[in-house]
Amino acid sequence: AQSVTQLGSHVSVSEGALVLLRCNYSSSVPPYLFWYVQYPNQGLQLLLKYTTGATLVKGINGFEAEFKKSETSFHLTKPSAHMSDAAEYFCAVSLSGSARQLTFGSGTQLTVLP
Amino acid sequence: GAGVSQSPSNKVTEKGKDVELRCDPISGHTALYWYRQSLGQGLEFLIYFQGNSAPDKSGLPSDRFSAERTGGSVSTLTIQRTQQEDSAVYLCASSLDTGFYEQYFGPGTRLTVT
Repeated sequence: AQSVTQLGSHVSVSEGALVLLRCNYSSSVPPYLFWYVQYPNQGLQLLLKYTTGATLVKGINGFEAEFKKSETSFHLTKPSAHMSDAAEYFCAVSLSGSARQLTFGSGTQLTVLP
Repeated sequence: GAGVSQSPSNKVTEKGKDVELRCDPISGHTALYWYRQSLGQGLEFLIYFQGNSAPDKSGLPSDRFSAERTGGSVSTLTIQRTQQEDSAVYLCASSLDTGFYEQYFGPGTRLTVT
């Protein structure tokens, strides 16, 4: 079975500051890892994903994440926060090698302060 | 192209009534998923359809919940004898069944049981 832990249900950063949202996972097999963003009253939008290959993955809106197998982590970063980044962010894992459901973390609400 | 659509966007029903929620996946996507998003439980997998295979119902919380997918396209999630704890946002997602399984989410149906 797999699980996802997101440290910090709420994170506040100043506009222009570094964004760091933490995600740790547990999985008995090599996982696929994802970050989704959810704006108010909207569905989830994929930011980026890791399947195989390069461990540093770049996504939309300037976000990136690094898969660290030794730390079982997949933290999301953005060098400079923008007001439009304010949203809820979800880390998710699925088992590699098959089309299966996503297991989500509990989410992190990002607030960007002017 | 068109994304995943869901209807209705909002549904208010009385306790004990049955409700049907509809999902139109992206054309050509063979996999379809239902998730539930609630304050207490976060994002939970409910059911998964893949082509003509038997659905994976392992996430359905009770036998009051059922889903079908007609013609490999549109899906309906039915909740019988609704309870207040069924109040949540129900999200549908679809994905291609080839290679990597990126899921595209609809905007959700907000169900309120009074």
